[in-house]
Amino acid sequence: AQSVTQPDIHITVSEGASLELRCNYSYGATPYLFWYVQSPGQGLQLLLKYFSGDTLVQGIKGFEAEFKRSQSSFNLRKPSVHWSDAAEYFCAVGPGGGGADGLTFGKGTHLIIQP
Amino acid sequence: DTGVSQNPRHKITKRGQNVTFRCDPISEHNRLYWYRQTLGQGPEFLTYFQNEAQLEKSRLLSDRFSAERPKGSFSTLEIQRTEQGDSAMYLCASSSGTSGVNEQFFGPGTRLTVL
Repeated sequence: AQSVTQPDIHITVSEGASLELRCNYSYGATPYLFWYVQSPGQGLQLLLKYFSGDTLVQGIKGFEAEFKRSQSSFNLRKPSVHWSDAAEYFCAVGPGGGGADGLTFGKGTHLIIQP
Repeated sequence: DTGVSQNPRHKITKRGQNVTFRCDPISEHNRLYWYRQTLGQGPEFLTYFQNEAQLEKSRLLSDRFSAERPKGSFSTLEIQRTEQGDSAMYLCASSSGTSGVNEQFFGPGTRLTVL
Protein backbone atom coordinates (compact mmCIF):
# COMPACT_ATOMS: atom_id res chain seq x y z
CA ALA A 1 0.00 0.00 0.00
CA GLN A 2 1.18 3.48 -0.71
CA SER A 3 2.11 5.90 2.04
CA VAL A 4 3.53 9.37 2.45
CA THR A 5 5.64 10.57 5.36
CA GLN A 6 6.21 14.19 6.20
CA PRO A 7 8.65 14.02 9.11
CA ASP A 8 8.24 17.61 10.26
CA ILE A 9 4.93 18.52 11.88
CA HIS A 10 5.93 22.15 12.37
CA ILE A 11 8.68 24.25 10.82
CA THR A 12 9.53 27.84 11.76
CA VAL A 13 11.46 29.95 9.27
CA SER A 14 12.42 33.60 9.30
CA GLU A 15 11.01 35.76 6.52
CA GLY A 16 13.50 35.89 3.67
CA ALA A 17 15.20 32.65 4.66
CA SER A 18 15.25 29.53 2.54
CA LEU A 19 12.85 26.65 3.10
CA GLU A 20 12.88 22.90 2.60
CA LEU A 21 9.95 20.66 3.49
CA ARG A 22 10.60 16.94 3.46
CA CYS A 23 8.46 14.24 1.92
CA ASN A 24 9.15 10.52 1.64
CA TYR A 25 6.84 8.13 -0.14
CA SER A 26 6.24 4.45 -0.55
CA TYR A 27 4.56 3.39 -3.78
CA GLY A 28 4.60 0.16 -5.73
CA ALA A 29 4.78 1.63 -9.19
CA THR A 30 6.14 4.81 -10.68
CA PRO A 31 4.74 7.48 -8.40
CA TYR A 32 2.97 10.61 -9.41
CA LEU A 33 3.77 13.20 -6.75
CA PHE A 34 2.11 16.41 -5.72
CA TRP A 35 2.54 19.24 -3.25
CA TYR A 36 -0.56 21.09 -2.08
CA VAL A 37 -0.89 24.11 0.21
CA GLN A 38 -3.84 24.78 2.49
CA SER A 39 -4.45 28.13 4.14
CA PRO A 40 -6.95 28.52 6.98
CA GLY A 41 -10.48 28.36 5.64
CA GLN A 42 -9.26 27.59 2.15
CA GLY A 43 -9.26 24.50 0.03
CA LEU A 44 -6.15 22.72 -1.12
CA GLN A 45 -4.22 24.49 -3.84
CA LEU A 46 -1.80 22.61 -6.07
CA LEU A 47 1.72 24.00 -5.90
CA LEU A 48 3.43 21.58 -8.27
CA LYS A 49 3.39 18.04 -9.59
CA TYR A 50 5.81 15.45 -10.89
CA PHE A 51 4.81 12.88 -13.46
CA SER A 52 7.96 12.15 -15.43
CA GLY A 53 10.94 13.78 -17.08
CA ASP A 54 13.07 16.41 -15.39
CA THR A 55 13.31 15.55 -11.73
CA LEU A 56 13.40 19.20 -10.69
CA VAL A 57 9.97 20.69 -11.12
CA GLN A 58 8.92 24.30 -10.82
CA GLY A 59 5.64 25.34 -9.34
CA ILE A 60 3.66 28.41 -8.48
CA LYS A 61 4.63 31.04 -5.93
CA GLY A 62 8.34 30.41 -6.43
CA PHE A 63 8.32 26.84 -5.14
CA GLU A 64 10.24 23.94 -6.61
CA ALA A 65 10.61 20.27 -5.74
CA GLU A 66 13.11 17.59 -6.59
CA PHE A 67 12.21 13.95 -7.17
CA LYS A 68 14.89 11.53 -5.98
CA ARG A 69 13.94 7.96 -6.77
CA SER A 70 16.90 6.46 -4.88
CA GLN A 71 15.78 8.19 -1.69
CA SER A 72 12.02 7.92 -2.33
CA SER A 73 11.83 11.63 -1.65
CA PHE A 74 10.10 14.65 -3.13
CA ASN A 75 11.22 17.62 -1.06
CA LEU A 76 9.74 21.07 -1.52
CA ARG A 77 12.00 24.11 -1.56
CA LYS A 78 11.78 27.87 -1.78
CA PRO A 79 14.82 30.16 -1.77
CA SER A 80 13.22 33.02 0.14
CA VAL A 81 9.96 32.73 2.07
CA HIS A 82 7.38 35.47 2.47
CA TRP A 83 4.99 35.95 5.40
CA SER A 84 2.14 34.92 3.08
CA ASP A 85 3.69 31.45 2.76
CA ALA A 86 2.55 30.57 6.28
CA ALA A 87 0.16 27.65 5.78
CA GLU A 88 -0.17 23.87 5.92
CA TYR A 89 1.70 21.96 3.25
CA PHE A 90 0.76 18.48 2.09
CA CYS A 91 2.68 16.02 -0.01
CA ALA A 92 0.62 13.43 -1.89
CA VAL A 93 1.19 10.41 -4.09
CA GLY A 94 -1.14 8.95 -6.64
CA PRO A 95 -1.46 7.02 -9.86
CA GLY A 96 -1.15 8.60 -13.26
CA GLY A 97 -1.70 7.37 -16.77
CA GLY A 98 -5.39 7.94 -16.34
CA GLY A 99 -5.47 6.01 -13.11
CA ALA A 100 -8.31 7.07 -10.93
CA ASP A 101 -7.43 6.03 -7.43
CA GLY A 102 -7.63 8.70 -4.80
CA LEU A 103 -4.51 10.48 -3.67
CA THR A 104 -2.67 9.41 -0.53
CA PHE A 105 -1.62 12.41 1.55
CA GLY A 106 0.94 12.91 4.27
CA LYS A 107 -0.10 14.42 7.58
CA GLY A 108 1.16 17.81 6.57
CA THR A 109 3.78 20.29 7.73
CA HIS A 110 2.68 23.50 9.39
CA LEU A 111 4.90 26.37 8.25
CA ILE A 112 5.32 29.34 10.57
CA ILE A 113 7.05 32.48 9.33
CA GLN A 114 8.88 34.65 11.84
CA PRO A 115 9.20 38.36 11.05
CA ASP B 1 -13.42 30.21 -14.32
CA THR B 2 -15.47 28.64 -11.57
CA GLY B 3 -13.68 26.12 -9.43
CA VAL B 4 -15.09 23.32 -7.34
CA SER B 5 -17.84 24.53 -5.03
CA GLN B 6 -19.23 22.87 -1.92
CA ASN B 7 -22.31 23.58 0.14
CA PRO B 8 -22.84 24.17 2.91
CA ARG B 9 -19.49 25.44 4.12
CA HIS B 10 -20.35 24.63 7.72
CA LYS B 11 -22.83 22.23 9.26
CA ILE B 12 -23.57 21.69 12.92
CA THR B 13 -25.80 18.79 13.80
CA LYS B 14 -26.78 16.65 16.73
CA ARG B 15 -25.68 13.08 17.05
CA GLY B 16 -28.06 10.73 15.32
CA GLN B 17 -29.22 13.20 12.69
CA ASN B 18 -28.70 12.78 8.96
CA VAL B 19 -26.73 15.32 6.94
CA THR B 20 -26.18 15.83 3.23
CA PHE B 21 -23.43 17.77 1.50
CA ARG B 22 -23.26 18.88 -2.10
CA CYS B 23 -20.29 19.25 -4.43
CA ASP B 24 -20.31 20.95 -7.83
CA PRO B 25 -17.18 20.05 -9.78
CA ILE B 26 -15.50 22.02 -12.53
CA SER B 27 -17.93 21.71 -15.41
CA GLU B 28 -15.82 19.75 -17.89
CA HIS B 29 -14.41 17.33 -15.30
CA ASN B 30 -15.76 13.80 -15.45
CA ARG B 31 -14.05 12.54 -12.27
CA LEU B 32 -15.14 13.49 -8.79
CA TYR B 33 -13.61 12.53 -5.46
CA TRP B 34 -14.61 12.82 -1.82
CA TYR B 35 -12.07 13.06 1.00
CA ARG B 36 -12.31 13.51 4.76
CA GLN B 37 -9.83 15.56 6.74
CA THR B 38 -9.67 15.51 10.52
CA LEU B 39 -7.74 17.96 12.64
CA GLY B 40 -3.98 17.60 12.27
CA GLN B 41 -4.25 15.05 9.49
CA GLY B 42 -4.02 15.05 5.75
CA PRO B 43 -7.08 14.34 3.62
CA GLU B 44 -8.15 10.69 3.45
CA PHE B 45 -9.77 9.29 0.33
CA LEU B 46 -13.40 8.20 0.68
CA THR B 47 -14.83 7.53 -2.76
CA TYR B 48 -14.55 8.32 -6.44
CA PHE B 49 -16.92 8.74 -9.40
CA GLN B 50 -16.29 8.65 -13.09
CA ASN B 51 -19.30 10.37 -14.60
CA GLU B 52 -22.26 8.89 -12.71
CA ALA B 53 -20.57 5.60 -11.80
CA GLN B 54 -19.12 5.14 -8.34
CA LEU B 55 -15.99 3.15 -9.08
CA GLU B 56 -14.13 2.99 -5.81
CA LYS B 57 -14.92 3.20 -2.11
CA SER B 58 -12.47 3.32 0.75
CA ARG B 59 -12.93 1.10 3.78
CA LEU B 60 -13.36 4.39 5.67
CA LEU B 61 -16.76 4.73 4.00
CA SER B 62 -18.98 2.91 6.46
CA ASP B 63 -22.53 1.79 5.71
CA ARG B 64 -23.81 5.06 7.16
CA PHE B 65 -22.18 6.96 4.32
CA SER B 66 -23.62 7.10 0.83
CA ALA B 67 -22.58 9.16 -2.15
CA GLU B 68 -24.32 9.77 -5.44
CA ARG B 69 -23.65 11.56 -8.67
CA PRO B 70 -26.95 11.03 -10.49
CA LYS B 71 -26.34 12.86 -13.73
CA GLY B 72 -22.58 12.87 -13.78
CA SER B 73 -22.47 16.48 -12.70
CA PHE B 74 -22.88 17.44 -9.04
CA SER B 75 -22.49 14.91 -6.25
CA THR B 76 -24.00 14.49 -2.79
CA LEU B 77 -22.53 12.83 0.25
CA GLU B 78 -25.00 11.74 2.92
CA ILE B 79 -24.15 10.62 6.42
CA GLN B 80 -26.92 8.84 8.30
CA ARG B 81 -27.15 8.62 12.09
CA THR B 82 -24.17 10.91 12.59
CA GLU B 83 -21.66 10.18 15.33
CA GLN B 84 -19.23 12.54 17.04
CA GLY B 85 -16.40 10.79 15.23
CA ASP B 86 -17.84 12.02 11.94
CA SER B 87 -16.83 15.57 12.84
CA ALA B 88 -14.34 16.57 10.14
CA MET B 89 -13.83 18.62 7.02
CA TYR B 90 -15.30 16.90 3.96
CA LEU B 91 -13.47 17.83 0.79
CA CYS B 92 -14.54 17.34 -2.79
CA ALA B 93 -12.17 17.33 -5.75
CA SER B 94 -12.56 16.91 -9.49
CA SER B 95 -10.27 16.07 -12.35
CA SER B 96 -10.54 15.80 -16.10
CA GLY B 97 -8.97 12.35 -16.14
CA THR B 98 -7.05 12.98 -19.35
CA SER B 99 -4.41 10.40 -20.06
CA GLY B 100 -1.30 10.72 -17.93
CA VAL B 101 -2.75 13.38 -15.68
CA ASN B 102 -4.58 12.97 -12.45
CA GLU B 103 -4.41 16.54 -11.19
CA GLN B 104 -7.24 17.05 -8.75
CA PHE B 105 -8.75 20.43 -8.02
CA PHE B 106 -10.22 20.81 -4.55
CA GLY B 107 -13.19 22.70 -3.24
CA PRO B 108 -13.18 24.71 0.02
CA GLY B 109 -14.73 21.87 1.99
CA THR B 110 -17.71 21.43 4.29
CA ARG B 111 -16.87 21.45 7.97
CA LEU B 112 -19.13 19.12 9.94
CA THR B 113 -19.49 19.38 13.69
CA VAL B 114 -21.51 16.67 15.42
CA LEU B 115 -22.62 17.61 18.94
